[in-house]
Amino acid sequence: DAGVIQSPRHEVTEMGQEVTLRCKPISGHNSLFWYRQTMMRGLELLIYFNNNVPIDDSGMPEDRFSAKMPNASFSTLKIQPSEPRDSAVYFCASTKGQLNTEAFFGQGTRLTVV
Amino acid sequence: GQQVMQIPQYQHVQEGEDFTTYCNSSTTLSNIQWYKQRPGGHPVFLIQLVKSGEVKKQKRLTFQFGEAKKNSSLHITATQTTDVGTYFCAGSGSARQLTFGSGTQLTVLP
Repeated sequence: DAGVIQSPRHEVTEMGQEVTLRCKPISGHNSLFWYRQTMMRGLELLIYFNNNVPIDDSGMPEDRFSAKMPNASFSTLKIQPSEPRDSAVYFCASTKGQLNTEAFFGQGTRLTVV
Repeated sequence: GQQVMQIPQYQHVQEGEDFTTYCNSSTTLSNIQWYKQRPGGHPVFLIQLVKSGEVKKQKRLTFQFGEAKKNSSLHITATQTTDVGTYFCAGSGSARQLTFGSGTQLTVLP
């Protein structure tokens, strides 16, 4: 299995632009998580899905952030409009079975908003 | 809400010295997991502890889960340069999803 696949690996964009991050979870995994990692705040859970349904989005910082999971093999995290303080590494992770089993992380997307 | 605290935030050791990181939860956990993130990499699962007082070993790494299931530790014996990275604990409580600690960044000096 190729593992959790995220794209792009790096994204540099100007403030105000829309940014879309993509994630393909491991086949057969039924839970998907979006995390944001910064030096200041560490690893923060933004939102998670179970069987394609958003369960908890309380970690989403603002209305500028939105996430979708149209099917079991694809999820997006969108930021519109982007701001410099959104600069971070965004990780997608998936688990099989219950929410608290071993999490498999993607390589992450390093986002820089200038 | 559930909080998971981890100390120390940073640790520098000489190669060959031991290293320990501690994790404490504000609530009782159903399980705790440990992850390692190499510089520039992504978190990678190391182990999961479920039982009260459980101790597990992986070569030079020893993981413990407290009797009250509110704390855990990771101990590395005789560190090597390959141990460099950030070690995260992640606990699962009543909310079921994992809550990650802030991590301990380990530097091993040759």
